[in-house]
Amino acid sequence: SQTIHQWPATLVQPVGSPLSLECTVEGTSNPNLYWYRQAAGRGLQLLFYSVGIGQISSEVPQNLSASRPQDRQFILSSKKLLLSDSGFYLCAWSGPGSPGGPLHFGNGTRLTVT
Amino acid sequence: AQKITQTQPGMFVQEKEAVTLDCTYDTSDPSYGLFWYKQPSSGEMIFLIYQGSYDQQNATEGRYSLNFQKARKSANLVISASQLGDSAMYFCAMREQWRGGSNYKLTFGKGTLLTVNP
Repeated sequence: SQTIHQWPATLVQPVGSPLSLECTVEGTSNPNLYWYRQAAGRGLQLLFYSVGIGQISSEVPQNLSASRPQDRQFILSSKKLLLSDSGFYLCAWSGPGSPGGPLHFGNGTRLTVT
Repeated sequence: AQKITQTQPGMFVQEKEAVTLDCTYDTSDPSYGLFWYKQPSSGEMIFLIYQGSYDQQNATEGRYSLNFQKARKSANLVISASQLGDSAMYFCAMREQWRGGSNYKLTFGKGTLLTVNP
């Protein structure tokens, strides 16, 4: 069966510090991978989407970036965090191809920028 | 323009009763998909049910059913025989084409907080 791992679960970082969140998927090949952000009490906002290694599409221009160095690994990064980057970050995968079925989410990372 | 609208910020239901969570959507794409997710206080997003735009029958998954009214562009979630463990945030989402080609994304509503009372 397929599983998705996301870490760390919680993170407190000062403004201006770098960020690296990692997500890996097991049990499937060539998944579509996503990074979503959820601000407190709000819905989910798509940040990045990847259909394959090195293929990243960005939904919202900001100081975050994403990379996919391996087929089942998706990394969310920032060189300098802003206060507004605080939120709940969720990684998700869907089956390969299009449209790829439902998204399956990791347990999320709660990021607090101080 | 908001594409997924959930008009109920919060809902209360008595244990063992049924509850309907509303969702309306807006799209001009003839092919689309509608999803419901559950988010407990722990934060994980749990996929509940899916309805395709061409599906003739309403989707059902155990105690969950989706009341799909295409002409009205609504996709309400019905939970039968509510349980205390159903207390959570519920999100409606629509799969839509993104940046042309074969790219798709899920757009989420703002959610409804369901509280099941004993």
